[in-house]
Amino acid sequence: NAGVTQTPKFQVLKTGQSMTLQCAQDMNHNSMYWYRQDPGMGLRLIYYSASEGTTDKGEVPNGYNVSRLNKREFSLRLESAAPSQTSVYFCASSAQGAATEAFFGQGTRLTVV
Amino acid sequence: KQEVTQIPAALSVPEGENLVLNCSFTDSAIYNLQWFRQDPGKGLTSLLLIQSSQREQTSGRLNASLDKSSGRSTLYIAASQPGDSATYLCAGYSGAGSYQLTFGKGTKLSVIP
Repeated sequence: NAGVTQTPKFQVLKTGQSMTLQCAQDMNHNSMYWYRQDPGMGLRLIYYSASEGTTDKGEVPNGYNVSRLNKREFSLRLESAAPSQTSVYFCASSAQGAATEAFFGQGTRLTVV
Repeated sequence: KQEVTQIPAALSVPEGENLVLNCSFTDSAIYNLQWFRQDPGKGLTSLLLIQSSQREQTSGRLNASLDKSSGRSTLYIAASQPGDSATYLCAGYSGAGSYQLTFGKGTKLSVIP
């Protein structure tokens, strides 16, 4: 009963380093998302993939890239990490966009020093 | 742009009380609305999804309503328990073709034994 699985759970990066956050879902969902959660700001959408083979920018895409590797997996890459990217990152999935319920992973807590 | 507000930001009640959490949104064209629960350091757990054509949904001790004309949704929790202590988030899609959930900042609920 895994649902949405994110790795790693915690990460500390130095400014300028790169890393990829991994996300996989086992619910055969078409749509996948990356959000970030910051104190006082709530959750904001970074990128989404409406279906396999497509990706689109959300509200705060600058500094990030994504890859929809296959129907199950959606990764988020930070090419050159900045302290402003210190946040908790959540991956989510839904069967099909706004029409269906969204399910979230447990989050990745990222600190950039 | 859709904005979602949750008031109060924090609420403390004695065990056994019935309570209502409020969520308001600026755009009455809101599509589906979803309520989540978030425990400290954890991911988001979906509680209820109210689809655009519905006015309310029930799951156990939880009942959520949606009034698009007034721009409001409420989450009613009956017979509260200490295990209900968490942050409750509401989020909505702006339209049927939307892939972005707009979140409120949450209400932190404490149920005192």
